[in-house]
Amino acid sequence: SQKIEQNSEALNIQEGKTATLTCNYTNYSPAYLQWYRQDPGRGPVFLLLIRENEKEKRKERLKVTFDTTLKQSLFHITASQPADSATYLCALDGQDKIIFGKGTRLHILP
Amino acid sequence: GAGVSQSPSNKVTEKGKDVELRCDPISGHTALYWYRQSLGQGLEFLIYFQGNSAPDKSGLPSDRFSAERTGGSVSTLTIQRTQQEDSAVYLCASSLVLGQGRYEQYFGPGTRLTVT
Repeated sequence: SQKIEQNSEALNIQEGKTATLTCNYTNYSPAYLQWYRQDPGRGPVFLLLIRENEKEKRKERLKVTFDTTLKQSLFHITASQPADSATYLCALDGQDKIIFGKGTRLHILP
Repeated sequence: GAGVSQSPSNKVTEKGKDVELRCDPISGHTALYWYRQSLGQGLEFLIYFQGNSAPDKSGLPSDRFSAERTGGSVSTLTIQRTQQEDSAVYLCASSLVLGQGRYEQYFGPGTRLTVT
């Protein structure tokens, strides 16, 4: 069955550095991959979508890569700020529904 | 414009009671999704609607769970004879169309259900 793994439950990064989050998947070949941000007590908020034929996508300080050979997506936040602290979820398309990973809690330390 | 809204925001109920959770999607969004999120867990897919139709109900945890959508808009998720393991945050999302992950989903704030 389809399986999504996000590299770690929690990640601590010093302010100003680049945070890199990993999303791996198995038994699957998604056509699209999405990243969401979730703050405590709130629903997830869409950040970026990348297609299987796109290697990289950028939006301001965010960058997403999609390696269909490695079955992996990397999510980068450059010049990280304490306000970037949140849980980040990757999501893969799956026959009209989206399958979410468990998320990585990112803490940007001032 | 208004985003996805859900009500109630919090619900505390006694074991064995029925509860009804409501979701108002973004106007014009034809696809609607329900998820459940337990503490420290990821999003568990429950059911989706395209218009008023729910083609895939396999994500519902048990036959105590049901959902409907009327007029292609408001949806209700009903849990009968609630159990303590039903305690979670129930999230609703909508998207423009049903599209195999090519369309972003807009989430509501969720309903926190606590079964005592």
